[in-house]
Amino acid sequence: QQPVQSPQAVILREGEDAVINCSSSKALYSVHWYRQKHGEAPVFLMILLKGGEQKGHEKISASFNEKKQQSSLYLTASQLSYSGTYFCGTGGNDYKLSFGAGTTVTVRA
Amino acid sequence: NAGVMQNPRHLVRRRGQEARLRCSPMKGHSHVYWYRQLPEEGLKFMVYLQKENIIDESGMPKERFSAEFPKEGPSILRIQQVVRGDSAAYFCASSPARGDSYEQYFGPGTRLTVT
Repeated sequence: QQPVQSPQAVILREGEDAVINCSSSKALYSVHWYRQKHGEAPVFLMILLKGGEQKGHEKISASFNEKKQQSSLYLTASQLSYSGTYFCGTGGNDYKLSFGAGTTVTVRA
Repeated sequence: NAGVMQNPRHLVRRRGQEARLRCSPMKGHSHVYWYRQLPEEGLKFMVYLQKENIIDESGMPKERFSAEFPKEGPSILRIQQVVRGDSAAYFCASSPARGDSYEQYFGPGTRLTVT
């Protein structure tokens, strides 16, 4: 079943912060985060595994709460290059990922 | 180290024709996934293959669609007798091993337009 992402869209000014949430109704083993710019391939950002860890990639970090079956992606001090659509993909300890509908982030100067 | 390669990048077919989409995984990767993406939507799983084996094709329509990943050469997604509803972006991703604890790297996609 497809995870639910929120919000659907967010508009930021450079330097502002944002949080994107990804919730699943199924038990999660892994959460994968990707960013896709219009007309391009999704780019892998990070993967979080069961265990509630937090990871970071430059000023983008994420957390995984397995009890709540959700993950959050944190965009800190956003840059223009952060614009794009962010997808979470969730795995249930097999191999198949289910992707959310995406959150469109627009960062303005 | 080349990433995942897909060709063609754009493909136009008339209704009833066949479409063949190719995917070469990253070097060292033997696991390939195909996804379909409609405009403004997320990625939908279609099929998962390892070399010479289809592991899971539960996301692929039973008719007109087929996929293979031969011992030599790229993975191929084949759509026979295309219809307008097949118009979409088709992405393949490769992974170094089986399991969702491994990252999947995506190719640039093939944008199929059926006229």
